[in-house]
Amino acid sequence: NAGVTQTPKFQVLKTGQSMTLQCAQDMNHEYMSWYRQDPGMGLRLIHYSVGAGITDQGEVPNGYNVSRSTTEDFPLRLLSAAPSQTSVYFCASSPTGADTYEQYFGPGTRLTVT
Amino acid sequence: GNSVTQMEGPVTLSEEAFLTINCTYTATGYPSLFWYVQYPGEGLQLLLKATKADDKGSNKGFEATYRKETTSFHLEKGSVQVSDSAVYFCALKPNTGNQFYFGTGTSLTVIP
Repeated sequence: NAGVTQTPKFQVLKTGQSMTLQCAQDMNHEYMSWYRQDPGMGLRLIHYSVGAGITDQGEVPNGYNVSRSTTEDFPLRLLSAAPSQTSVYFCASSPTGADTYEQYFGPGTRLTVT
Repeated sequence: GNSVTQMEGPVTLSEEAFLTINCTYTATGYPSLFWYVQYPGEGLQLLLKATKADDKGSNKGFEATYRKETTSFHLEKGSVQVSDSAVYFCALKPNTGNQFYFGTGTSLTVIP
């Protein structure tokens, strides 16, 4: 059981480039989300999805797009990278419908934009 | 609204010292409360949780009690080890919806 996987682990981009961070889970979880982690700011929610075909914005969605065509996959797209997007990105998933379920996190993608 | 406030770090302790990391929350209704731990270079993993008032979550020697009267969920451990060095996040999940709310994290370093 792989859990939540993320690729790549590290990435360096130049300003203005675009890229997609991949996230997949094999636990059949309905809820998936993307966070960014910055020093002193903890985890901030970028986008989330409560099921295939349904996505919504979190706290810091600007500059990012998501889609959810399958239950398993939830890619995060950076449209035109900026140095302010240098961060560590975490994908997480959880079941829905019960208030006791935890979120399961991937290992993270460390992104540097120069 | 929903929010979590946890004590600023970093915290440095000697091995076998007592640990407390404070966490307070603001939420409507009766949220579930969590502590997550992040070891260097890794993602977050659940340490413990509590789902209703007066519940005590425990794992690996860590404990936290859900105190509704003080809206707190402080993390404690009686004797820390070097291997406990990590960043600790307090989090809540409201009883409606699926979104989690995280604190800013507290970095703990335990020295031999």
